[in-house]
Amino acid sequence: DAGITQSPRHKVTETGTPVTLRCHQTENHRYMYWYRQDPGHGLRLIHYSYGVKDTDKGEVSDGYSVSRSKTEDFLLTLESATSSQTSVYFCAISEREGRETQYFGPGTRLLVL
Amino acid sequence: DQQVKQNSPSLSVQEGRISILNCDYTNSMFDYFLWYKKYPAEGPTFLISISSIKDKNEDGRFTVFLNKSAKHLSLHIVPSQPGDSAVYFCAASGGNDYKLSFGAGTTVTVRA
Repeated sequence: DAGITQSPRHKVTETGTPVTLRCHQTENHRYMYWYRQDPGHGLRLIHYSYGVKDTDKGEVSDGYSVSRSKTEDFLLTLESATSSQTSVYFCAISEREGRETQYFGPGTRLLVL
Repeated sequence: DQQVKQNSPSLSVQEGRISILNCDYTNSMFDYFLWYKKYPAEGPTFLISISSIKDKNEDGRFTVFLNKSAKHLSLHIVPSQPGDSAVYFCAASGGNDYKLSFGAGTTVTVRA
């Protein structure tokens, strides 16, 4: 199994509060991704990173920001959480771009009340 | 607009029989396809992949078939086992965009 951890694994928060989710990898892979999983939608890409301090938006990036100051850590921040951001969040990594398998972390279940 | 579609939300199959999961895509630039398996409260795990230069890839009990002209792929699991009960996601990438597009998933239940 790829060495990917996510923290916290579960979080309950209130609308309007900031939330930061952390993804940590021990594989030294260049590419890291944040997805959310919702019923009927599969996994949708929020943001991704192609190197330290190099990030870009995915298809559902509104309301989210990311940072990557070290190869091993990729942070996802909800600046002001809303109920529509209740979801399961997955981090993924890949060694290269292109036709490359992504490996996923265990997920963070977030509930915004 | 979803570019990868799994039109069957669920599939029930008897243990020992074949499970066939289907996936359709709309983007003709897709040239790499993957299947992931997901158990509850865990992350998706990679199962099998296929590039567009092939029409079949096999790994043990799992075989993926690709029909480029129909923009369709399928995953065959033979024989199905109770541990195969999970959600299966189809994913695709291609062109200049290395990002994966996922289908909504198919929940497979293997009955004893």
